[in-house]
Amino acid sequence: GAVVSQHPSRVICKSGTSVKIECRSLDFQATTMFWYRQFPKQSLMLMATSNEGSKATYEQGVEKDKFLINHASLTLSTLTVTSAHPEDSSFYICSARTSGSRDTQYFGPGTRLTVL
Amino acid sequence: DQQVKQNSPSLSVQEGRISILNCDYTNSMFDYFLWYKKYPAEGPTFLISISSIKDKNEDGRFTVFLNKSAKHLSLHIVPSQPGDSAVYFCAERDDMRFGAGTRLTVKP
Repeated sequence: GAVVSQHPSRVICKSGTSVKIECRSLDFQATTMFWYRQFPKQSLMLMATSNEGSKATYEQGVEKDKFLINHASLTLSTLTVTSAHPEDSSFYICSARTSGSRDTQYFGPGTRLTVL
Repeated sequence: DQQVKQNSPSLSVQEGRISILNCDYTNSMFDYFLWYKKYPAEGPTFLISISSIKDKNEDGRFTVFLNKSAKHLSLHIVPSQPGDSAVYFCAERDDMRFGAGTRLTVKP
């Protein structure tokens, strides 16, 4: 099946720094990518939807200036957490969808971010 | 606004028995649903899907039923196995805002 990778799988950073997470579709072209966040023992929260070559659409309550999303190519989307704070610590997951109208969503393995 | 809901946060069943996980939705325009399984610290993996032109889709031990009039779908796992223990999410393909998930525990 289709494979989506994320890098890094785990990152620890100091408060105030920025962290970039990459999401790659390895064997297909992803016209749409989604970014999710999961808090402990809670559901996946959709943060934003990004289409290749256009600005991301953010969900209500998600700060677009804090969570910068770039989908510059059909195989790569990045999420940058700017000026990270401890409350940004979470498990971030991306997913990618192929261009077919009935294709399934494939998820990356997730990135654990810990902000000290 | 959450248009896909899973109202049961957890379910515990005995190995070999049937597990039934439920999902409700509010948007009558939704027409393609997906079920995912998620282990801790991993991304969700796709399990099974169903189009609104069907009321049932079966894949091995997994069967999804769709009741459009009730805006309800369910995932049946039979027989349940301990390895099925995970959190299960339903989602609509074009919406992709997951329900809260149901944590399934299959006891040996």
